[in-house]
Amino acid sequence: DIQMTQSPSSLSASVGDRVTITCQASQDIRNYLNWYQQKPGRAPKLLIYDASTLETGVPSKFSGSGFGTHFTFTIFSLQPEDIATYYCQHYDNAPYTFGQGTKVEIK
Amino acid sequence: QVQLVQSGPEVKKPGASVKVSCKASGYTFSSYGFSWVRQAPGQGLEWMAWISVYNDDTKYAQKFQGRVTMTADTSTETAYMELTGLTSDDTAVYYCARDLFPFSSTCQLNYWGQGTLVTVSS
Repeated sequence: DIQMTQSPSSLSASVGDRVTITCQASQDIRNYLNWYQQKPGRAPKLLIYDASTLETGVPSKFSGSGFGTHFTFTIFSLQPEDIATYYCQHYDNAPYTFGQGTKVEIK
Repeated sequence: QVQLVQSGPEVKKPGASVKVSCKASGYTFSSYGFSWVRQAPGQGLEWMAWISVYNDDTKYAQKFQGRVTMTADTSTETAYMELTGLTSDDTAVYYCARDLFPFSSTCQLNYWGQGTLVTVSS
């Protein structure tokens, strides 16, 4: 099974800061990577697929990049409504494992 | 608009089975696949399995193989996930989620149900 390692597991940043989360795959997954946002008590929301393609309706302050084994997710200008846990997930082959999540808080 | 509405919370005893439903609306049910994802209390997301409604193909995480059965009823546009041999470790919120693209086996999940809490307790 492919393991997905996210870092950091949590972070605290100020409003307006740029926030970056990384996701490392245990083997080459090409660009078969999703990023999700999950707010407390809610279902996850797909933000990015194919490592860098923004899902319809997702604001451009979210961005993804990477290929192979190393991926990056960025929030440009953190806002209070971005407080959530963010997960990467690969879909190269089953099982489609998630990273352990990154909890983003406001400083 | 696309909606996935799941069945209500369940309380089960160890060793029992649970069947969670996911009623779809707002799109062509038979064209998409579904994943089932669970989340234990305070924990992260765990992908369990996927079913294609259009060709009945299935994929499973090894740890659930033999314990999970997924079905899809096109007449009622409802997907089901049954989990057998429950233990306290199966206490979690279970989500159904639909693939982004039709006739695709890539697990890009853009519509989610509201989640079903399954509690396993003696």
